[in-house]
Amino acid sequence: AQSVTQPDIHITVSEGASLELRCNYSYGATPYLFWYVQSPGQGLQLLLKYFSGDTLVQGIKGFEAEFKRSQSSFNLRKPSVHWSDAAEYFCAVAAREYGNKLVFGAGTILRVKS
Amino acid sequence: DTGVSQDPRHKITKRGQNVTFRCDPISEHNRLYWYRQTLGQGPEFLTYFQNEAQLEKSRLLSDRFSAERPKGSFSTLEIQRTEQGDSAMYLCASSLAGVRNEQFFGPGTRLTVL
Repeated sequence: AQSVTQPDIHITVSEGASLELRCNYSYGATPYLFWYVQSPGQGLQLLLKYFSGDTLVQGIKGFEAEFKRSQSSFNLRKPSVHWSDAAEYFCAVAAREYGNKLVFGAGTILRVKS
Repeated sequence: DTGVSQDPRHKITKRGQNVTFRCDPISEHNRLYWYRQTLGQGPEFLTYFQNEAQLEKSRLLSDRFSAERPKGSFSTLEIQRTEQGDSAMYLCASSLAGVRNEQFFGPGTRLTVL
């Protein structure tokens, strides 16, 4: 079965500090990988995506993620967090073989303290 | 605004009533997905269409749920005889079918069943 694990339910970082959000997946096919961000009461905004090629991908708002096939991981990073980054972050996987439907993790809530 | 739109944004209903939600995808997108998100969880796949054809339904989609996309444009999701457990955010996303799939999400419809 396809599954995505985000082991951290909540993370609190100080403004200006670095951030890493963890994501591990279990998938029967070669996955496409995504990170989405959701602010309270809002829909999901795509931060970045990985399909193939360079395993380090750059996204919007200064975020990046690295695909590590050997660890089945796709961790999200940002070198310096801003107060506006406070939101919930979701890792998701999809595959063409499964109709490209997204399978999401449970999310990580990021709090930023000033 | 050419993004994905959903109507209504909020719906409060009494148990046992029927409700219908609408999703208008990005106009050139031929795939449309429905997801459900409960509090503290990531979105879960419900069903998806390619043009007017419903290609897959999740086991989460009981026989009280029905979705249509009659002309391959907008879609409706109907829930009959609502139960308190149906309270959730219902998200719609659209994409172009192809090797690589980026789904764009609407703002969601929040359903509260009293």
